[in-house]
Amino acid sequence: AQSVTQLGSHVSVSEGALVLLRCNYSSSVPPYLFWYVQYPNQGLQLLLKYTSAATLVKGINGFEAEFKKSETSFHLTKPSAHMSDAAEYFCAVSGSGNEKLTFGTGTRLTIIP
Amino acid sequence: ETGVTQTPRHLVMGMTNKKSLKCEQHLGHNAMYWYKQSAKKPLELMFVYNFKEQTENNSVPSRFSPECPNSSHLFLHLHTLQPEDSALYLCASSPLGQASSGANVLTFGAGSRLTVL
Repeated sequence: AQSVTQLGSHVSVSEGALVLLRCNYSSSVPPYLFWYVQYPNQGLQLLLKYTSAATLVKGINGFEAEFKKSETSFHLTKPSAHMSDAAEYFCAVSGSGNEKLTFGTGTRLTIIP
Repeated sequence: ETGVTQTPRHLVMGMTNKKSLKCEQHLGHNAMYWYKQSAKKPLELMFVYNFKEQTENNSVPSRFSPECPNSSHLFLHLHTLQPEDSALYLCASSPLGQASSGANVLTFGAGSRLTVL
């Protein structure tokens, strides 16, 4: 079985500051890890995914995440926040490429002008 | 547009009404899903269809009845719902046979916001 924990349901950062959204996972098999973003009144959109290749994964819109097995973490970062980054971010885990994704409860990111 | 279209975007219904949500994808995907998104809760997987066959029913009450006539269309029929069923219902699709790439990525629709009075 797999699970994810997103620390912090709300995160606020100033425009231009570092964005760090935390995700820890639990998995009984090698995990596949994902970050999805949901903008207001829209569905979820894939930001990036880890599939056992490079541990540092680069995604769209300048986001990246690093898989750290020793820490069971997959934190999402962006060096410089932009107002358009305001959204809800979901971490998700699956195992062995099957269709069952387990999502976290989400982190709402607010950007302060 | 994400490639997955959901209608209606908003629906208000009474507890005795019967309504349906529709999902359509033209991405050539063979798997389709219904998720329920409620405030402050993780996304809940409701149903999964692979090649039109239901492969997952996550203990969903029978007042929710899915239908998948073909790989491009998915419906969620609603009847005698309860106020606690008010939520955003998300449809998603994915290709199958991506085991070699290690991940089966979902493409989501924008959702249908359901309010049950």
